[in-house]
Amino acid sequence: QKEVEQDPGPLSVPEGAIVSLNCTYSNSAFQYFMWYRQYSRKGPELLMYTYSSGNKEDGRFTAQVDKSSKYISLFIRDSQPSDSATYLCAMSAPGNQFYFGTGTSLTVIP
Amino acid sequence: DAGVIQSPRHEVTEMGQEVTLRCKPISGHDYLFWYRQTMMRGLELLIYFNNNVPIDDSGMPEDRFSAKMPNASFSTLKIQPSEPRDSAVYFCASSRGQGYYGYTFGSGTRLTVV
Repeated sequence: QKEVEQDPGPLSVPEGAIVSLNCTYSNSAFQYFMWYRQYSRKGPELLMYTYSSGNKEDGRFTAQVDKSSKYISLFIRDSQPSDSATYLCAMSAPGNQFYFGTGTSLTVIP
Repeated sequence: DAGVIQSPRHEVTEMGQEVTLRCKPISGHDYLFWYRQTMMRGLELLIYFNNNVPIDDSGMPEDRFSAKMPNASFSTLKIQPSEPRDSAVYFCASSRGQGYYGYTFGSGTRLTVV
């Protein structure tokens, strides 16, 4: 079983829609959770990070962590064509490496 | 800050040849990571360094792969001999501390072994 599972998509939505991206994990020791955005032929760039459980909001982006269900989400409100990219989740236990999901490909159609 | 700099951006080589990928981390970052990305397996950690010392190389697929970090501003990943199954995008990333506030990735080297 993989440490982190992520639906690869692809996901296609109209401009202005709310997007929900999700990852599940198996290791209950994970405490650090991140979302990266990767444009085509570029390296991943950090979008948001959270520690332990709860929500974190940054502009149109909201990250949620549900440790009881081992489930994390990224919500994008009022999606824009510029949000079209692959979104990767990543998570880690203290002192350990980060494990990445395989990424979800998102296309926002104008 | 120029970010993490990788070279070359693209590399096409014949099976059996030696390939060397290069990385310059962000100044002041004490951790450096090498990742490989494929469609099937996503991002896989190959090796990481702390203060130029290799800490965990358990992700290096076989003895054909080796990595060095001779100083704080330079690292190499070498594949010798290369095989077609090594074709992937190789990323270098650096961070201050273990990356709990995120890594900074380079733009990657797209390697094709024919």
